[in-house]
Amino acid sequence: DAGITQSPRHKVTETGTPVTLRCHQTENHRYMYWYRQDPGHGLRLIHYSYGVKDTDKGEVSDGYSVSRSKTEDFLLTLESATSSQTSVYFCAISVQGLGYTFGSGTRLTVV
Amino acid sequence: AQSVTQLGSHVSVSEGALVLLRCNYSSSVPPYLFWYVQYPNQGLQLLLKYTTGATLVKGINGFEAEFKKSETSFHLTKPSAHMSDAAEYFCAVSRAHGGSQGNLIFGKGTKLSVKP
Repeated sequence: DAGITQSPRHKVTETGTPVTLRCHQTENHRYMYWYRQDPGHGLRLIHYSYGVKDTDKGEVSDGYSVSRSKTEDFLLTLESATSSQTSVYFCAISVQGLGYTFGSGTRLTVV
Repeated sequence: AQSVTQLGSHVSVSEGALVLLRCNYSSSVPPYLFWYVQYPNQGLQLLLKYTTGATLVKGINGFEAEFKKSETSFHLTKPSAHMSDAAEYFCAVSRAHGGSQGNLIFGKGTKLSVKP
């Protein structure tokens, strides 16, 4: 078990409010990723990080920002949530030789 | 750019029948290839992966996949389906481990149904 914890597991928020999702890992892995999963689209990369304060955009980064001030935490922020951001969000880490391990997901509903 | 195509968004088989889930990829460099399974309301679990070496890869739960470079394919098979195999399956590709080249690109998924 790579020790990835996502919080919260479920959240309902109103349009226009800021939302922060947290991904926490316990094993000092360098590479971390945020994906969103939507029916018919599979998983799409939002942002990724290759170290503390080193982040970059993925395929669907508009409307999202990330921060990584500590190796173990990778935060995803929706500055002003919209209904199109209703989705299931997964955090992942990349482990050399083992591939990618995913968290349990956060189900976000924007009403 | 890399991409992954999974043929068939839904596949239905009878219990005991062969499972075949198709995945084709495009990549300008030798790829790393993965199959993940997702059970309802759960996260993704790695079934198997190909990085280098033997092109026939065996995974968990009796699944295997064969990397065919000439066909740019990585199809997932299981000789005999069980009811517990009902889930959604995702094929994914990356160009490296970690970094900007290590981002996983996913197919859109195939839902497998198993009939008694």
